Amino acid sequence: DAKTTQPNSMESNEEEPVHLPCNHSTISGTDYIHWYRQLPSQGPEYVIHGLTSNVNNRMASLAIAEDRKSSTLILHRATLRDAAVYYCILRKENNDMRFGAGTRLTVKP
Amino acid sequence: KAGVTQTPRYLIKTRGQQVTLSCSPISGHRSVSWYQQTPGQGLQFLFEYFSETQRNKGNFPGRFSGRQFSNSRSEMNVSTLELGDSALYLCASSWADHNEQFFGPGTRLTVL
Repeated sequence: DAKTTQPNSMESNEEEPVHLPCNHSTISGTDYIHWYRQLPSQGPEYVIHGLTSNVNNRMASLAIAEDRKSSTLILHRATLRDAAVYYCILRKENNDMRFGAGTRLTVKP
Repeated sequence: KAGVTQTPRYLIKTRGQQVTLSCSPISGHRSVSWYQQTPGQGLQFLFEYFSETQRNKGNFPGRFSGRQFSNSRSEMNVSTLELGDSALYLCASSWADHNEQFFGPGTRLTVL
């Protein structure tokens, strides 16, 4: 099974950019890279996803390495509401999606 | 558009009993996935259904089963409950493969 590796925790200051890394060295050519986050006492929430090219949406940007063995989720200006556990997931061609332990992001005012 | 709904939201059962949890996906979504979340194991994939067929299954014993109806609503069943089955059970739906999943609020199951 393709797996992802993320730091257990990261800290950021409010209104500063945050770069959340993810390693997925065993990714296959058809795996999509998905990011979700889970706020306290809520179900996970979709953030962004991509296959090969960098992606931007209103929430974040996703930078994918050329060899696709790693990716970085970028929050351009962290707010207190961005404090959550962020999951980097490889979604397989058959729609199989497995969550790892994620990165707990703390945002300091 | 209504989100993913799960019923019941909270449930208390005793060891040996069985339980059925229900999930109503967002209208038009055909894929429904189930996850178990515990403090120790995190979010673990249970199974995924698409058009009434189970496509994927996680590493859970046969006591965990599910099904999907023609209207895409899904149920999961856990038989012979164990204390370790206490968890938050999350359901997620998506419109198509590789699209984002939308999660429901979960059902909190406590086994005594």
